[in-house]
Amino acid sequence: GAVVSQHPSRVICKSGTSVKIECRSLDFQATTMFWYRQFPKKSLMLMATSNEGSKATYEQGVEKDKFLINHASLTLSTLTVTSAHPEDSSFYICSARPVDRGLGEAFFGQGTRLTVV
Amino acid sequence: AQSVTQLDSQVPVFEEAPVELRCNYSSSVSVYLFWYVQYPNQGLQLLLKYLSGSTLVKGINGFEAEFNKSQTSFHLRKPSVHISDTAEYFCAVSKDAGKSTFGDGTTLTVKP
Repeated sequence: GAVVSQHPSRVICKSGTSVKIECRSLDFQATTMFWYRQFPKKSLMLMATSNEGSKATYEQGVEKDKFLINHASLTLSTLTVTSAHPEDSSFYICSARPVDRGLGEAFFGQGTRLTVV
Repeated sequence: AQSVTQLDSQVPVFEEAPVELRCNYSSSVSVYLFWYVQYPNQGLQLLLKYLSGSTLVKGINGFEAEFNKSQTSFHLRKPSVHISDTAEYFCAVSKDAGKSTFGDGTTLTVKP
């Protein structure tokens, strides 16, 4: 149990286009999901907290108009990178916090490798 | 606020030797502690976690970690490593299954 699926796993897009990344909790409900970004050979940095039915909370320095987050249901959050540029190329990972917090952890997706050319 | 310090950025070790990857954390509240492994171009895989109870935690692939509250440490150990253990290892803390704060990672390289 406790599987989080990210789609797509890899995407290449042209500069100036937008890309949507999906994060789904497959066998549990998640009122909160988190989006992280990982630069090459670097750690994971939290970008934003996605709350079901409300606006996302962005970390300092993250452009909310560039990284649009929607959490329309208890099992799905999406991250849209708008007007993507090569510097947005990165590994994006989501995690989902179960409604039942007894397990003590948020569960991570397998990540999405975005390459902007 | 929480922070995590992984004391070694790179750890080279020979196959079948023991290894310890060090992690210290700071937090003003009680936190949960985790170790993740990341293989090249892949996502995170949970190795083990400490939530409460016994301070010695056993995880997958023969890894274990010990929570030391007085030293605010959560070091990862394996008595005998394999080539396949070569990967990036991240220590992380979170509060109540919330957002995670990660260390900068330790690259473990196992040599034949």
